[in-house]
Amino acid sequence: EDQVTQSPEALRLQEGESSSLNCSYTVSGLRGLFWYRQDPGKGPEFLFTLYSAGEEKEKERLKATLTKKESFLHITAPKPEDSATYLCAVQSGGSYIPTFGRGTSLIVHP
Amino acid sequence: EAQVTQNPRYLITVTGKKLTVTCSQNMNHEYMSWYRQDPGLGLRQIYYSMNVEVTDKGDVPEGYKVSRKEKRNFPLILESPSPNQTSLYFCASSFPSGVSSYNEQFFGPGTRLTVL
Repeated sequence: EDQVTQSPEALRLQEGESSSLNCSYTVSGLRGLFWYRQDPGKGPEFLFTLYSAGEEKEKERLKATLTKKESFLHITAPKPEDSATYLCAVQSGGSYIPTFGRGTSLIVHP
Repeated sequence: EAQVTQNPRYLITVTGKKLTVTCSQNMNHEYMSWYRQDPGLGLRQIYYSMNVEVTDKGDVPEGYKVSRKEKRNFPLILESPSPNQTSLYFCASSFPSGVSSYNEQFFGPGTRLTVL
């Protein structure tokens, strides 16, 4: 059974204070690891897909990295508009069904 | 504007009263799916559809039905709702270019369902 654990559950940062969110996973043959952003009262918004260890992807202040056991979402010099819940999900080989973590709630104070 | 729409956005009903939540996408996406989101449990997939007339169970299909008669629509049917189906429901769609990109999904705004 695929498992995804995200940490911390909640994170408060000051504007400009860089940090990282963690997504640890166990999966039988990783097909893809996905990061989503979810704002309060809205549906998740797709950010990145990572396929293999060593891969990195960037978008504005966000950078996602992947190892064989975990993924990090690095947030550089965050702004208040980066406040959201960040969700991680995995898809294993032979399945189309994603397994989501519980998310990390990020609040960035001005 | 490319979007996934869901109706209704909010619904309060009683146990056993059949209901349908509609989902429609205007992006010509082949893949559509339904999720429920519960505090402390995260998002869990209920059903998915690879294309018209092709549907399959996700992780938590019990108590739900779906149909895919048209490419753009994917309604979720609760024939006899129970209180444990009180949840926030999301419809999603994607246009997969490979086996992994099915889960690069556009999500709808959500439907908050309360079953009394």
